[in-house]
Amino acid sequence: GQQVMQIPQYQHVQEGEDFTTYCNSSTTLSNIQWYKQRPGGHPVFLIQLVKSGEVKKQKRLTFQFGEAKKNSSLHITATQTTDVGTYFCAGHTGTASKLTFGTGTRLQVTL
Amino acid sequence: EAGVVQSPRYKIIEKKQPVAFWCNPISGHNTLYWYRQNLGQGPELLIRYENEEAVDDSQLPKDRFSAERLKGVDSTLKIQPAELGDSAVYLCASSFGHSSYEQYFGPGTRLTVT
Repeated sequence: GQQVMQIPQYQHVQEGEDFTTYCNSSTTLSNIQWYKQRPGGHPVFLIQLVKSGEVKKQKRLTFQFGEAKKNSSLHITATQTTDVGTYFCAGHTGTASKLTFGTGTRLQVTL
Repeated sequence: EAGVVQSPRYKIIEKKQPVAFWCNPISGHNTLYWYRQNLGQGPELLIRYENEEAVDDSQLPKDRFSAERLKGVDSTLKIQPAELGDSAVYLCASSFGHSSYEQYFGPGTRLTVT
């Protein structure tokens, strides 16, 4: 079955440093979504990417979808303590298919 | 606008006991999902409903798990009998349309089976 892996599994940065998480799918995706889950909370939708090579920005967050539509990345510039949480990518292989979540990257930010 | 509502938030039961979780999706969302999230892992889909119809239940352990969505609104997920390995957070989510739309998650029910 479809597998979606993320690296790193965990990253600890100091506030102000940059952070990147990478997402790799075993199969070609029709689209990819990113979610953030705060400690003790539930996943919250951040963004969806659909087109090959697409890049989207949300303030300090930059999302990319690979040319082959099998990988994606999330980059956070100048992290803040409010960025703490686990970031999940999640991909569809078709318009009516299930959403397969990645393994997640847990981000810890300290002052 | 109210979000996805789930109850209970926490449940502790002994193994072999039954348990049920309830979910009320966002008004107007016709797609409803039940996920299971184990500690340190991403959510895994158990079942997806389009209105009243279960369109994907391939990951639902049907020997002990059942779900229903009467009238295409609220949904209930049941486990009978529960096993130790069922301890997890059970998340309900809803979306406006099919799976390609963003999903809104409820707070989840943390189940502990002892």
